Amino acid sequence: DTAVSQTPKYLVTQMGNDKSIKCEQNLGHDTMYWYKQDSKKFLKIMFSYNNKELIINETVPNRFSPKSPDKAHLNLHINSLELGDSAVYFCASSQDPVSYNSPLHFGNGTRLTVT
Amino acid sequence: GIQVEQSPPDLILQEGANSTLRCNFSDSVNNLQWFHQNPWGQLINLFYIPSGTKQNGRLSATTVATERYSLLYISSSQTTDSGVYFCAVRGGTSYGKLTFGQGTILTVHP
Repeated sequence: DTAVSQTPKYLVTQMGNDKSIKCEQNLGHDTMYWYKQDSKKFLKIMFSYNNKELIINETVPNRFSPKSPDKAHLNLHINSLELGDSAVYFCASSQDPVSYNSPLHFGNGTRLTVT
Repeated sequence: GIQVEQSPPDLILQEGANSTLRCNFSDSVNNLQWFHQNPWGQLINLFYIPSGTKQNGRLSATTVATERYSLLYISSSQTTDSGVYFCAVRGGTSYGKLTFGQGTILTVHP
């Protein structure tokens, strides 16, 4: 009964390929997020969707395209992968984006390695 | 945007020791969370604590929102406490966005 689950756990691919990471939450939350953790462990937000609508789009190359088919799912598609895309990608969810009592819950991460 | 600074950057302890980790932030917040990233990379929610004090077993946290800092206390540390501890905040004007500190790397030796 994992709250936020993402697949795959590990992804190894070559430069130039296109890949997707999937995320699902069963918490009934309205808001979902993608965060990227770099090699120095720094975590930074990439995107956020609230009720299937994009609300946060940080400075991310347009090779990254999030898609939210419904409130419980947020997928991340990456085109033309580059070496610098190697990182751990975390999905998260919260009840909403603004309320005082709305903590984030994170998935276990997807370690992407581009060779 | 809001700035988050954690200290110390690294901490090495013997099993059984106590420690205090600090998180300073530059603006008012409506969300503050402490996470533990274990050696397997999982981000574990420790506390949701935008203000006040909470305790959970050997861990406790205090946030003084008016002075813009939070403290995480670990008592009687165990080797399983090793990992990276992150503080993350959402500013009052940051719609949805949680900003992370750079983390404190904790190593507990047996």
